[in-house]
Order: sequence, then structure tokens, then C-alpha cells
Amino acid sequence: GAVVSQHPSWVICKSGTSVKIECRSLDFQATTMFWYRQFPKQSLMLMATSNEGSKATYEQGVEKDKFLINHASLTLSTLTVTSAHPEDSSFYICSATGHGVSETQYFGPGTRLLVL
Amino acid sequence: GENVEQHPSTLSVQEGDSAVIKCTYSDSASNYFPWYKQELGKRPQLIIDIRSNVGEKKDQRIAVTLNKTAKHFSLHITETQPEDSAVYFCAASKGSGYSTLTFGKGTMLLVSP
Repeated sequence: GAVVSQHPSWVICKSGTSVKIECRSLDFQATTMFWYRQFPKQSLMLMATSNEGSKATYEQGVEKDKFLINHASLTLSTLTVTSAHPEDSSFYICSATGHGVSETQYFGPGTRLLVL
Repeated sequence: GENVEQHPSTLSVQEGDSAVIKCTYSDSASNYFPWYKQELGKRPQLIIDIRSNVGEKKDQRIAVTLNKTAKHFSLHITETQPEDSAVYFCAASKGSGYSTLTFGKGTMLLVSP
């Protein structure tokens, strides 16, 4: 299957700082990437969809100024959590899909964010 | 929008038994239904998917069935093994992987030796 990487795998930061998470497709061109948030023992909650070269589409209730998404190339999307607060602590997972991978969404390993 | 209900929330079976997880969806336009397995602290991994033009798909010990009329689909795991223990998510979307997936709440499967 296709491989998606995510970096960092975990991060601890102070309240008020910004954190950037990278999502990369390693062996295919990801025309579309998705960002999810997952709370303990809960399902995946879609935050936004990003297509290469265009603005991300955010789900209802997700603050676009708080969670900045950039999909500048066919292999990289970034999620920046701006002015992070403790309530932003969560497991953030990206997924990617594109041509040549049967249009299946492949997930990254996730980033665990803890805001103190 | 789409709503996906998944049952049961937890399922305990003995090794060798079969396990069945059921999902229902609300939007009749949905036509792509993947199943993901997520082990604790790890990424969801696609285990099988089905499109609305087929009623059943099988891959070794795993099978998925789809009833479009009733708008429900099920995951069947036969001859369960302890390594099958994980959380399983069903999902639905319109179109394909390019479209947003709506996930069920997950089923924690525990297979006891």
C-alpha cells in the first residue's frame, strides 16, 4: 500500500505557542489530503480537506484561523495550530489520496499534541 | 449530511469464533464503504472496502456485505485471532477516496485466546 508519513509524532508545547505538523505522501502524488482529530476512545473527526494548490475546506465548527492548513505540493500538507491552548491537546491524523492509489485514503501515523 | 451508525461498540469473542460488526448509513447517495482497523496509538489501516455496485467482497478471513436497499453494510471476520483485537471503524462516502469519509464511532474487538 501507499505510505504516508507525519512529523512530529508527538509534541509538547506551552500555551500560546504555535505548532506545525507535516503530512507527506512518500510514494504517490496526493492530490487530496484530509486532517482529522481524534480524542481518546473516540472516532475520527474530520477537520478539513485540502487539495493541492487551493484553499482548504473546513468542516463546520472548525476555526480556520486557529488551524491553518497549507497544501503547497503534491506530497506535502501542513497543519499549524496557532496560539495553542490545553483544549487543543489531541491526536491529529492526516490522510492522503490521489491517482495511482485506487482513490483510497491512506493515513499517517498521527501526531500527539499536548499543550501545557 | 451523512450519518453512520455502528454497532456494537464493543465485541468480545473467543479465538476461532466469528465476529460481525454492522453499520448503517443515512445518505442513499453514498457509494463507497471502507473499513479501517486501528490498533492502540497507531494509524487506521484499510482492511477492506466495497463499492455500491457489488453486494459482497471477500479477502481471506475478512468479508464485507452491502445492502443498498436497507442502507447497511457489515464486516465479517472468521476464525478470529488475538491479533485481530483492535478498534474497527466503518465509513461511508459519495464517490471515492477523494470524497470526505463519514466514520462510525468504532467497535472495539477483543479476541481472547
